[in-house]
Amino acid sequence: DAGVIQSPRHEVTEMGQEVTLRCKPISGHDYLFWYRQTMMRGLELLIYFNNNVPIDDSGMPEDRFSAKMPNASFSTLKIQPSEPRDSAVYFCASTTGREYSNQPQHFGDGTRLSIL
Amino acid sequence: AQTVTQSQPEMSVQEAETVTLSCTYDTSESDYYLFWYKQPPSRQMILVIRQEAYKQQNATENRFSVNFQKAAKSFSLKISDSQLGDAAMYFCAYRSAWGGNTPLVFGKGTRLSVIA
Repeated sequence: DAGVIQSPRHEVTEMGQEVTLRCKPISGHDYLFWYRQTMMRGLELLIYFNNNVPIDDSGMPEDRFSAKMPNASFSTLKIQPSEPRDSAVYFCASTTGREYSNQPQHFGDGTRLSIL
Repeated sequence: AQTVTQSQPEMSVQEAETVTLSCTYDTSESDYYLFWYKQPPSRQMILVIRQEAYKQQNATENRFSVNFQKAAKSFSLKISDSQLGDAAMYFCAYRSAWGGNTPLVFGKGTRLSVIA
C-alpha cells in the first residue's frame, strides 16, 4: 500500500518567493492534517481537513499561509511570501475517522523547507 | 487545551538493556487515545504503540510496552532488549476521542541513544 506522499522532499528558496508543498493522502482516508516541526516549538498542527473541508485552521501562523484540498487525493500548503522563520519540516498526515476510532495518523516523509 | 509533557530531553541505554521514556499529559476529558511515535534521523514518523484510555490493560507491541496510569495521567514507554535501530526521537501524543479524528497534541520529544 502506498503511504502518504509528500513533495518535494527538500525545498530551498529565497525570502519572498512563493512556496507550495504537496500531499497525497492514503486512498480512502477522509482526514488530512498539516503539521510543522521546528526545534523551538516541536510538532504543531497548522490545519486539518475532513472530507476535503477545512475544520480547524487556527494553527496557521498568518495570512501568508493557505491550504487547500480540492479533492480527496490532493492537498497543498502554500506560503506567499515566504520568510526565513518559515524554515521547518512540514508533515502531512492522513487517517480515517469515526467517533471513538483509535485509527492512528499516518505521516508522510515531510518536506524540509529552507528559506534563505 | 490538552498538553503533553516529556520531561527527559535525552536518554541513553546500553544495547540489550531496558529503558523507560516518560510522558505525562493534562486533560479534563475521560475518553482519549495516547500514542508513541518514533522519528529516526530519516525524519519519518513511525507509530510505535497506541493505547485507548478506556482500556485498563497496557498495550504491548513486541519489545515495546506502555505503563498507562490514567489517574496519574502518565503514559510511559518501555523498550526492552534495546537495539541500535531504536536510536531515534520519541514523541508522546494525545488525541481526544470526541469530535471525530481530531489532531494530535505532541510532547517535545525524547532523544534516545543506544550504546553498543
